Amino acid sequence: QTVVTQEPSISVSPGGTVTITCGLSSDSVSISYYPSWYQQTPGQAPRTLLYSTNTRSSGVPDRFSGSILGDKAALTITGAQADDESNYYCVLYMGSGVWVFGGGTKLTVL
Amino acid sequence: EVQLVESGGGLVQPGGSLRLSCAASRFTFRNYAMTWVRQAPGKGLEYVSAISESGGGTYYADSVKGRFTISRDNAKNTLDLQMNSLRPGDTAIYYCARGGSVWYFDLWGRGTLVTVSS
Repeated sequence: QTVVTQEPSISVSPGGTVTITCGLSSDSVSISYYPSWYQQTPGQAPRTLLYSTNTRSSGVPDRFSGSILGDKAALTITGAQADDESNYYCVLYMGSGVWVFGGGTKLTVL
Repeated sequence: EVQLVESGGGLVQPGGSLRLSCAASRFTFRNYAMTWVRQAPGKGLEYVSAISESGGGTYYADSVKGRFTISRDNAKNTLDLQMNSLRPGDTAIYYCARGGSVWYFDLWGRGTLVTVSS
């Protein structure tokens, strides 16, 4: 069974930089998995942040960026703001119309 | 406004069935693959099912394969999810999501809650 891993929780100071990673239990994450990232605050629908590793969705500020770091996909927030406090999910495309979500990372800005 | 609106959620007993719908508006529905994603209470997001633009290709997570059926009506701009043999573990908010051009979800509905309980 394919498992996509993320840090369960991370904290960052306002104005600081934080990186959330997205790993794969059975392989290295590469651009071939088309990693995408979603932000979700409690009670709200997910919001699309990034796709194809590092392409920002419309309206997403440039303090959100994506990359491949080593064998994982990564979401970096530069200059974190209070309203970035949310849950963040990565998704990897496995092919044949199937995606696998990571377990999510709860980001605290304090 | 471009949007997706889900409906059809509710309370159902274990073993029962439910049919969810998603109405699309303000975009050319037939040009997009569509998906269902769910979220159990207090848990993360989980991919459920996807369907190609024409409806000719359907795909499922192992957890729902053989029990759920995804379909679409491009004339009515609607996406459906027929859920049979429901289990308590299927309790979740079910989101309809539009497929982006490169294997991601670029538009989300607000979700509909399905509760499977006796």
